[in-house]
Amino acid sequence: AQKITQTQPGMFVQEKEAVTLDCTYDTSDPSYGLFWYKQPSSGEMIFLIYQGSYDQQNATEGRYSLNFQKARKSANLVISASQLGDSAMYFCAMRKYFGNEKLTFGTGTRLTIIP
Amino acid sequence: DTGVSQNPRHKITKRGQNVTFRCDPISEHNRLYWYRQTLGQGPEFLTYFQNEAQLEKSRLLSDRFSAERPKGSFSTLEIQRTEQGDSAMYLCASSLEGGAGLSPLHFGNGTRLTVT
Repeated sequence: AQKITQTQPGMFVQEKEAVTLDCTYDTSDPSYGLFWYKQPSSGEMIFLIYQGSYDQQNATEGRYSLNFQKARKSANLVISASQLGDSAMYFCAMRKYFGNEKLTFGTGTRLTIIP
Repeated sequence: DTGVSQNPRHKITKRGQNVTFRCDPISEHNRLYWYRQTLGQGPEFLTYFQNEAQLEKSRLLSDRFSAERPKGSFSTLEIQRTEQGDSAMYLCASSLEGGAGLSPLHFGNGTRLTVT
């Protein structure tokens, strides 16, 4: 079974600083994808970034980048130049390419940006 | 692209009553998922559809829960004889599968259920 671990329940970061949110995963499957979602207080889950297990380069989307270390089974999210609007819950999630189609989520990290 | 729409946004019901939620996915998406999220936790998978076929159901989905997706468009999730433990946010998501790589799930705003 696949498992996602997010060890930081909460983080406080000064505005304009970079922040790294940790995510480790456990799977025996070689083919999988890793996703990060943002959930503001409004409740909607917003897709941020995706990394495939066979991708050679780390994924980037604007201020978001994914530090993918396959041997360590980690997929940390890096947010550069943090903004007040980045305050939210952040969830790491994983899905296998074949067979089990569901997206499995971690418990999340609550990020608070301090002005 | 109007996004995934869920109704109602909030539902308060008394224990023992039946409730039904609706989800309208992004129109061209062929997959539709239901998740449940309790306070302080990540979303937990309940079930998913490929077009109108329900392909997987979680063990979390007891006999009191039933989901349908007639004609492969909108979906409904019904909970019969609600219990206080059913209080949660119910999230619907959709995706377009069949291309290269994995597609992200696009979520709606959720339906918050409170069972009193």
